[in-house]
Amino acid sequence: EAGVAQSPRYKIIEKRQSVAFWCNPISGHATLYWYQQILGQGPKLLIQFQNNGVVDDSQLPKDRFSAERLKGVDSTLKIQPAKLEDSAVYLCASSLLGGSGANVLTFGAGSRLTVL
Amino acid sequence: KNEVEQSPQNLTAQEGEFITINCSYSVGISALHWLQQHPGGGIVSLFMLSSGKKKHGRLIATINIQEKHSSLHITASHPRDSAVYICAVLRPGGSNYKLTFGKGTLLTVNP
Repeated sequence: EAGVAQSPRYKIIEKRQSVAFWCNPISGHATLYWYQQILGQGPKLLIQFQNNGVVDDSQLPKDRFSAERLKGVDSTLKIQPAKLEDSAVYLCASSLLGGSGANVLTFGAGSRLTVL
Repeated sequence: KNEVEQSPQNLTAQEGEFITINCSYSVGISALHWLQQHPGGGIVSLFMLSSGKKKHGRLIATINIQEKHSSLHITASHPRDSAVYICAVLRPGGSNYKLTFGKGTLLTVNP
């Protein structure tokens, strides 16, 4: 079974520029998560999709971050304009249903963003 | 106070030692994940528990739902076990399940 694919793996931009990250979850996984992990901290949920609907985006800084999951499969996370504090690893994860007890959570390798 | 607390934050051990990492949580959960993250690497799910105990190789995870506590044990630790170990709890919320993470425990196993 293929894992969760993310790209790019690394991105360096200057502040006020924009960036987009892509995630392809495991085939058939209805739930997709985007997490932000700042160095030395645990992951922080940015947004959770169930199929193509948003179920939790309470911690997404909506003035600069946006995410979509068209057709309930691939997802993109965009930051525009980027700030220095956005430097982090952006992790995508997927699970079969809403993460209920029977389903394993699978993470992608992450996209490391450096904002200069 | 965080909903998920891990201890210790940092742990250094000698190769071969028995390791225990603890996780306490303050909310009702439907399951608990133990995750492993190597430096610069992605996150791998080690265990998902809703009760009792699970074992995989040298790793053992236990959970006590009544006490809201879980432990991850590593027997005969090895330098390749050096990583951050993260506890994450799955909280039901209507039709949506939310995952809340601890801050992680950095384990260093010296040869």
